[in-house]
Amino acid sequence: QQQVKQSPQSLIVQKGGISIINCAYENTAFDYFPWYQQFPGKGPALLIAIRPDVSEKKEGRFTISFNKSAKQFSLHIMDSQPGDSATYFCAASLRNNDMRFGAGTRLTVKP
Amino acid sequence: ETGVTQTPRHLVMGMTNKKSLKCEQHLGHNAMYWYKQSAKKPLELMFVYNFKEQTENNSVPSRFSPECPNSSHLFLHLHTLQPEDSALYLCASSLQIYEKLFFGSGTQLSVL
Repeated sequence: QQQVKQSPQSLIVQKGGISIINCAYENTAFDYFPWYQQFPGKGPALLIAIRPDVSEKKEGRFTISFNKSAKQFSLHIMDSQPGDSATYFCAASLRNNDMRFGAGTRLTVKP
Repeated sequence: ETGVTQTPRHLVMGMTNKKSLKCEQHLGHNAMYWYKQSAKKPLELMFVYNFKEQTENNSVPSRFSPECPNSSHLFLHLHTLQPEDSALYLCASSLQIYEKLFFGSGTQLSVL
């Protein structure tokens, strides 16, 4: 089965620090790479997404870095805040065909 | 809110019960999904409907039965479940299939 491998499983960062979550995929046909954020008691919500024609996308404090040759992409959260504490999921999808999720990273930002 | 509403939020059922989960989306989306979320595991896709037609049945046991009467509503009928079926069941919708999914808050299911 095509998988998306996500690491680390959990992450603790001090307020103001940088949080980095990594994902690796296998299927080179994937063409859409979203990140979802999930708070307790809620469903995942789309945070930011990238397509493989660009190497980086930034939205506010959130940045996706994409390395097509390595089949890896990562989420960087700058100036991490306690309100960013949540579980983050990466995913990879093949338009009209398939979507695979990583196992999630539980981020805790300490005040 | 995301525009995707799931009911009930919590459900406790015995192994011999029959219950249904309901999902409604107010976004005008064409695709709807059922996912199972278990601790420390990737989201597991169960069923996909695109324009009311089922396009994916991911080897899900027959004790789970989906129904999509129209493009705004999705049901998951449950019968004779097992304790290992206890999980958070998430409904999602999207305008185009497998892109920009909007999730509901889920139904936390406990099977005793």
